[in-house]
Amino acid sequence: QVHLVESGGGVVQPGRSLRLSCAASGFPLNSHGIHWVRQAPGKGLEWVASVSSDGNGKNYGDSAKGRFTISRDTSENTVYLQMSSLKVEDTAVYYCARGAGGFCDYWGQGTPVTVSS
Amino acid sequence: DIVMTQTPLSSPVTLGQPASISCRSSRSLVHSDGNTYLSWLQQRPGQPPRLLIYKVSNRFSGVPDRFSGSGAGTDFTLEISRVEAEDVGVYYCMQATQLPLTFGGGTKVEIK
Repeated sequence: QVHLVESGGGVVQPGRSLRLSCAASGFPLNSHGIHWVRQAPGKGLEWVASVSSDGNGKNYGDSAKGRFTISRDTSENTVYLQMSSLKVEDTAVYYCARGAGGFCDYWGQGTPVTVSS
Repeated sequence: DIVMTQTPLSSPVTLGQPASISCRSSRSLVHSDGNTYLSWLQQRPGQPPRLLIYKVSNRFSGVPDRFSGSGAGTDFTLEISRVEAEDVGVYYCMQATQLPLTFGGGTKVEIK
């Protein structure tokens, strides 16, 4: 059974860093890519970053380029999103989703991030 | 980036009646491999998104057959044949033909 569990969210001041985790179970990370998608309060969905099934392909949305880094640990079957220089506008629920060759088939419950002074 | 535009913004529907949501992309979603990577997601209140339809018209596992997707190129439609109370929520189209993945703005389905 496929399961994705995000953690690491919280309240952080602008300019600080935070690392989110996405623990996957029911499948190995080397069989699927993983995406991070966020949703600001009352807003729609915005793609943040993704890592390919072989771990070599990493891509970022414009809001994440230069500030966020996606990585993974296959021994832990976990994907990370290291976020630095956080801004108020990064406040959102962050979801990880499994890539399935052109769509995202399973989504986690999300972890909330609030950037506020 | 490919821009996804959904209409309507809101769709009040009577229980048991059909609902239809449109999604238009700013360019063709046909990938060089021949597939069209347009999917539909449902987000119930307080819940994460859930995959309903992938590659235009394929229902995901466990999705009721009252949900159907159609379309081609740049124009796509999600239809609910008979709306039930559990269908209340926001529906998003999403394209994965080209990075960045992009989403429509969402359509809120509510009961009249």
